Amino acid sequence: GAVVSQHPSRVICKSGTSVKIECRSLDFQATTMFWYRQFPKQSLMLMATSNEGSKATYEQGVEKDKFLINHASLTLSTLTVTSAHPEDSSFYICSAREDRPYEQYFGPGTRLTVT
Amino acid sequence: GEDVEQSLFLSVREGDSSVINCTYTDSSSTYLYWYKQEPGAGLQLLTYIFSNMDMKQDQRLTVLLNKKDKHLSLRIADTQTGDSAIYFCAESSNTGKLIFGQGTTLQVKP
Repeated sequence: GAVVSQHPSRVICKSGTSVKIECRSLDFQATTMFWYRQFPKQSLMLMATSNEGSKATYEQGVEKDKFLINHASLTLSTLTVTSAHPEDSSFYICSAREDRPYEQYFGPGTRLTVT
Repeated sequence: GEDVEQSLFLSVREGDSSVINCTYTDSSSTYLYWYKQEPGAGLQLLTYIFSNMDMKQDQRLTVLLNKKDKHLSLRIADTQTGDSAIYFCAESSNTGKLIFGQGTTLQVKP
């Protein structure tokens, strides 16, 4: 099956700093990647949709200047949390999709803790 | 708007069948999915069903779709302790954007 990786798996940073999370599709080309956020014991909340070579589409209520998304190639998308605050602490999960719309594969997630 | 609802918790004994239910509101959904999430991990795609199908079977998993009632279920036959996890139902449109339910925690007792 298709494999999606995320790096790092865990990160702890201080308030005010920026953190970059990478999402890679390892054995397929992802025309579209999605970024989700998950709070403890809750469902996934879609933050944004990114297509290779174009600007990301953010969901309502998600600050685009705070959560910078770059889909630089067909195998890599990055999420940068800028000027992180403790309330940004969460589990961030990416997913990637080929041209076939019905198959979307998820990365293992990144646990961000802001102190 | 789009909404997906699931019961939050299900407990079964090892060897029994588990049935996890889901309802959704968007009648234009083209695909419906079941994902499994183990603690601290991402989501694993278990199976999906196209909206013009009624049933799909894949080894121990059976998905039933009642499009009229907008009801989706996942049956796991011969449930094992390794099946303990959170199961998410999700719907999508042609854009690929997924709307998830709250997740059902499946507890399998030995």
